[in-house]
Amino acid sequence: LAKTTQPISMDSYEGQEVNITCSHNNIATNDYITWYQQFPSQGPRFIIQGYKTKVTNEVASLFIPADRKSSTLSLPRVSLSDTAVYYCLVGDKQTGGFKTIFGAGTRLFVKA
Amino acid sequence: GAGVSQSPSNKVTEKGKDVELRCDPISGHTALYWYRQRLGQGLEFLIYFQGNSAPDKSGLPSDRFSAERTGESVSTLTIQRTQQEDSAVYLCASSFGGGYRLSLETQYFGPGTRLLVL
Repeated sequence: LAKTTQPISMDSYEGQEVNITCSHNNIATNDYITWYQQFPSQGPRFIIQGYKTKVTNEVASLFIPADRKSSTLSLPRVSLSDTAVYYCLVGDKQTGGFKTIFGAGTRLFVKA
Repeated sequence: GAGVSQSPSNKVTEKGKDVELRCDPISGHTALYWYRQRLGQGLEFLIYFQGNSAPDKSGLPSDRFSAERTGESVSTLTIQRTQQEDSAVYLCASSFGGGYRLSLETQYFGPGTRLLVL
């Protein structure tokens, strides 16, 4: 299973764009990249998933370069309520990617 | 519709006692997962159920841990002879479980059971 590396923590201010980069140098051909968000005292919540190039939904954008060895989660105009832990996962269903450890994630703290 | 529910929400027990944690997945979801999350840490995979297939128990930390699932519904995680290091939040998630795409399915998590072993 591909290993991921993320910054431990990040600080930002309300209204700013936040970019969290995840490194996954050993990503396999079939692997997808998935991001989850976890608020205190809650279970993680799916944010976005992609395979290559760019994916955008109502919450975030995911940028994946051609070599797919990293990916960047972009949160536009963050608010205080975006303070959470963000997890990057890499894997595919066939190889049991769901067993990918959610790691320690990136703790984002948004300040007023 | 109802999401994943877990009970109890909090459990305090004494070292050496057995505990049973319950998970009710989203109706129609054939895949169910259990994770453990220690304070300030990421999620640790414990066990995975998919339909009628044999569960993937590769994440269970010891033989004191076991889990069962009745068909495609309720699951229970049992911890026997609890130890203080078992104190954590136990999270359950479910997903659709079908489809042929290799992409990881969206997992829907419950609120967790906070276990404290004294």
